[in-house]
Amino acid sequence: DQQVKQNSPSLSVQEGRISILNCDYTNSMFDYFLWYKKYPAEGPTFLISISSIKDKNEDGRFTVFLNKSAKHLSLHIVPSQPGDSAVYFCAGGGLSGSARQLTFGSGTQLTVLP
Amino acid sequence: TAGITQAPTSQILAAGRSMTLRCTQDMRHNAMYWYRQDLGLGLRLIHYSNTAGTTGKGEVPDGYSVSRANTDDFPLTLASAVPSQTSVYFCASSGIGTGLNEQFFGPGTRLTVL
Repeated sequence: DQQVKQNSPSLSVQEGRISILNCDYTNSMFDYFLWYKKYPAEGPTFLISISSIKDKNEDGRFTVFLNKSAKHLSLHIVPSQPGDSAVYFCAGGGLSGSARQLTFGSGTQLTVLP
Repeated sequence: TAGITQAPTSQILAAGRSMTLRCTQDMRHNAMYWYRQDLGLGLRLIHYSNTAGTTGKGEVPDGYSVSRANTDDFPLTLASAVPSQTSVYFCASSGIGTGLNEQFFGPGTRLTVL
């Protein structure tokens, strides 16, 4: 049972345009969500997060939107740059037993074309 | 600050052999995690540790063991490797109380079991 789903394995966008990456979840107990970015041969790096009590969080070119009723979140990157080409993972976070844990989606490969 | 280091960077291992993947962090984070990344499956939690001296099982713990003798180190051991354990392994850590509990990842170990 995949609690976090990223249904688009890949996305291509022209430089300067908006990139929209989507993520759906099923676990209502998640109380925060994070996006990670991963380049080849490197570990994932934190990008942006949002608490479940908010519906939007913005950091520079990156904005995350949360729709709790639809159990859906999205990451908007505008304008997209070639350096944004990477795999993006969304994750839901919450208490599991005594530990705070993250559950990751399968990732979306973003390619920004120059 | 090095953050999280992992060793080795990559390894080819014969099936049936044992191996320990090393992970060290210098951020004094309480919690540490081991994930495996497989194509189409994202990052899946193997084991975690909330604090030194305690460990817990994640989503895919079978065939793996961990120990947490001190705050900094969190080794992952494969007692008798099988080909299905071919994967990229990431160690991560987080500091309890750091807002939305962002996890910091190491660079990964690429393991091939033949």
